[in-house]
Amino acid sequence: DVKVTQSSRYLVKRTGEKVFLECVQDMDHENMFWYRQDPGLGLRLIYFSYDVKMKEKGDIPEGYSVSREKKERFSLILESASTNQTSMYLCASSFLSSGSSYNEQFFGPGTRLTVL
Amino acid sequence: AQKITQTQPGMFVQEKEAVTLDCTYDTSDPSYGLFWYKQPSSGEMIFLIYQGSYDQQNATEGRYSLNFQKARKSANLVISASQLGDSAMYFCAMSIVMEYGNKLVFGAGTILRVKS
Repeated sequence: DVKVTQSSRYLVKRTGEKVFLECVQDMDHENMFWYRQDPGLGLRLIYFSYDVKMKEKGDIPEGYSVSREKKERFSLILESASTNQTSMYLCASSFLSSGSSYNEQFFGPGTRLTVL
Repeated sequence: AQKITQTQPGMFVQEKEAVTLDCTYDTSDPSYGLFWYKQPSSGEMIFLIYQGSYDQQNATEGRYSLNFQKARKSANLVISASQLGDSAMYFCAMSIVMEYGNKLVFGAGTILRVKS
């Protein structure tokens, strides 16, 4: 079974802190993704990575950065956390699809981040 | 721009009855895929069903079927014989083919409650 794990289920941080959210997948997937989920907005893509050290901005990258030093690990960084970054953060991974529209993404359990 | 619209914030269904969750999409790409995911209260995202834009037949997976009407740009999920365990948030998503892999665009979701 594909397994995507995230470092924390719940996290509470203070405004201005630097926050690291870690995601690890064990299926040798090329692609990895970070989403945030907010009520009424669904999931929105923050960043994705298609290879080690490669990254692309998603739809809402402002206030976030990412790091992918190893294929299995994709980190989301909040350089200076703010209260409007309180949200559920979901990591996902998938194989490289090579032009096919079928590309199931496998999700981690999510991290509920609260910024006070 | 690609967009997914789920117009039903919440739905109720009686146990053992069928229910349809609506999804409309907007894209000008000829190649795309449509996914449905289920998110129980525990938070994990569970893949349910996929339909490719070139697929001639509607997708089915057990009690789930996808009513794909390409001309109307709709991809409704039909759950037959609802069970209490079907109570969850349901997301419709569209895959967008990119050079280095696909990204998913999600709708806002529909909360389904199954009544006994």
